Amino acid sequence: DGGITQSPKYLFRKEGQNVTLSCEQNLNHDAMYWYRQDPGQGLRLIYYSQIVNDFQKGDIAEGYSVSREKKESFPLTVTSAQKNPTAFYLCATSNPSGANVLTFGAGSRLTVL
Amino acid sequence: AQTVTQSQPEMSVQEAETVTLSCTYDTSESDYYLFWYKQPPSRQMILVIRQEAYKQQNATENRFSVNFQKAAKSFSLKISDSQLGDAAMYFCAYRSENYGGSQGNLIFGKGTKLSVKP
Repeated sequence: DGGITQSPKYLFRKEGQNVTLSCEQNLNHDAMYWYRQDPGQGLRLIYYSQIVNDFQKGDIAEGYSVSREKKESFPLTVTSAQKNPTAFYLCATSNPSGANVLTFGAGSRLTVL
Repeated sequence: AQTVTQSQPEMSVQEAETVTLSCTYDTSESDYYLFWYKQPPSRQMILVIRQEAYKQQNATENRFSVNFQKAAKSFSLKISDSQLGDAAMYFCAYRSENYGGSQGNLIFGKGTKLSVKP
């Protein structure tokens, strides 16, 4: 089945540690996105990538980094520079020919201890 | 910059009744897309319905329909014959027609939590 796989589903991190969230897709979609969701805040864009080896900052990129070495993969690293990393993270994909619809993964919940 | 506003943080509906969720947006563009996404307790975001701004006809998907008022920049979601499985967070979202740069992503409202009473 085609879809988006995010892992891990739950992750705990100590302060000062970097952590990487995985996002893999087999939809053959060009664009991939990372959103952060906080209670009462809706979804906010962290980074996006339209093509391989290219990515752009979203609205809240500080303290995060990404890479896009393969079309299928768009990992997100939450660095120690992110002041408040505890949140729910959602990966999404879209295709220009796909009626501009975003397809989402199941999300990853990061908790900083 | 575009913004999306959902003025109802929480709503409640009786099973089998109808409920309308409100959404307004601000944009200077004439061509764009509007969406309603549902996020149940599993937190998986699910597309409910989509509307192209150039279409005057309101989109409908089974029990879900929208009231799109372009001049008023309003995009409400009506859920008919509400079911227990409709209980979720509902997000309204805007997307520019231009697919490129940062305009390719969605701008979300803060959501409305819908409860369905049996």
